Formats: sequence, structure tokens, C-alpha cells
Amino acid sequence: AQSVTQLGSHVSVSEGALVLLRCNYSSSVPPYLFWYVQYPNQGLQLLLKYTSAATLVKGINGFEAEFKKSETSFHLTKPSAHMSDAAEYFCAVRQSYNTDKLIFGTGTRLQVFP
Amino acid sequence: DVKVTQSSRYLVKRTGEKVFLECVQDMDHENMFWYRQDPGLGLRLIYFSYDVKMKEKGDIPEGYSVSREKKERFSLILESASTNQTSMYLCASSAWERYAEVYSNQPQHFGDGTRLSIL
Repeated sequence: AQSVTQLGSHVSVSEGALVLLRCNYSSSVPPYLFWYVQYPNQGLQLLLKYTSAATLVKGINGFEAEFKKSETSFHLTKPSAHMSDAAEYFCAVRQSYNTDKLIFGTGTRLQVFP
Repeated sequence: DVKVTQSSRYLVKRTGEKVFLECVQDMDHENMFWYRQDPGLGLRLIYFSYDVKMKEKGDIPEGYSVSREKKERFSLILESASTNQTSMYLCASSAWERYAEVYSNQPQHFGDGTRLSIL
């Protein structure tokens, strides 16, 4: 069965510092992976998705994620944090190849300090 | 842009009431979902619909039912609200790539959520 683990429920960085949010997955089939962001009092917004076309995936707002099959990881990074990046981030994996249902991680709250 | 609209941002109801949460999408998506979001638990799927009048239970369907009479509208029903159903409820929709007839990497699009309090 597919599953997703996000390490660290809270991450704090200074403005301008590197952002690294960790996601490890478990999947018995080639995975479809997603990162979503949730700003306060809003729904989830797609940041990026893994399509199997490239291992390094670029998303919106300067974020990117690298798919590493050997490590079963799909970590999210941004070279330089901005105050507006403060939000909750969710990693998700499709449950199986023939369904659109997603399994979400428990989320990581990113705080950015000036 | 895909627009998923949830009828209420905030809702306060009493225990035992029958509660309806409405969701409408404007992109002719086949799939629609209801999740609840609780701190530390992430998003958990309550129900899923892949076509009109079709539904599937998710991971936590107990105490909930759904209705999908029209393609664009997916309703979540709390038959008899209880305090442990106080939560944030999120609706989502996604497309099915008909030419491939398989689910691909189409993302789910979310509404802004309904924060439901049961007193």
C-alpha cells in the first residue's frame, strides 16, 4: 500500500535561507507524487507534480523537488526563503495507478523569520 | 482556472442536527472528493465520486454520506452531527484523461474549505 511520511511537523528558517521540506513515500508501483501548499484560511494549491519525465521538477514560487527512487524521496526545496512562503506544505502520492485518490502526509508548517 | 467553490467558509451547528456542506466545480471534472483536515493528521478522505450518482467510501466515512445528482455538485451530509465532527472540510475535483482511459497525473483542485464547529 502507498504511504507518505513528512519528517518534521514544523520547520523554521530565516528569510533568505534554504528551505528543505522532506517527504518519503512508499509505493508498490511507479508513484505519482505531488506537493501542495496551504496558506492560512485557504484550501490547498498545487506547487508541483512528478510526471516521470524528469527527476527534478520545478514548481511555482521558486520551489522545486527532486525524485530519488533509490531513496524513495521527493523533498521540496527553495534556495532562498521569503516571508510569503510561510504556510503549511503537504506531500501526496496517488493511491494506485488506476485511481485518482491521493494519500497525504501529515503536513509541515514552515515559518520564516526576518 | 479551475474554480471549486464551497458554500460556506464558517459554519456553526448543534449536536444532532443534519448538516449539509455543498461544493461546486466549474471545469466539468469527473472526480470529486471530500476530505477533513485536522491538526497533526493531514487530510483524510471521507468520500469520493467518479461520476454522477456514483460514490466510494474513503478512509473515514462513518457518520457521513454524500450526494452527487449533477456532475458539478458534490454534497457532504452529516446525518446527525457530533462534536467529534468539528473540523475543516475540504472539497476537491480532478479530471480523468478520457483519451488515455487511465488516471494520469492530473492534480486535484481544492476549494477554500469550510470550518465546521459542532456545539
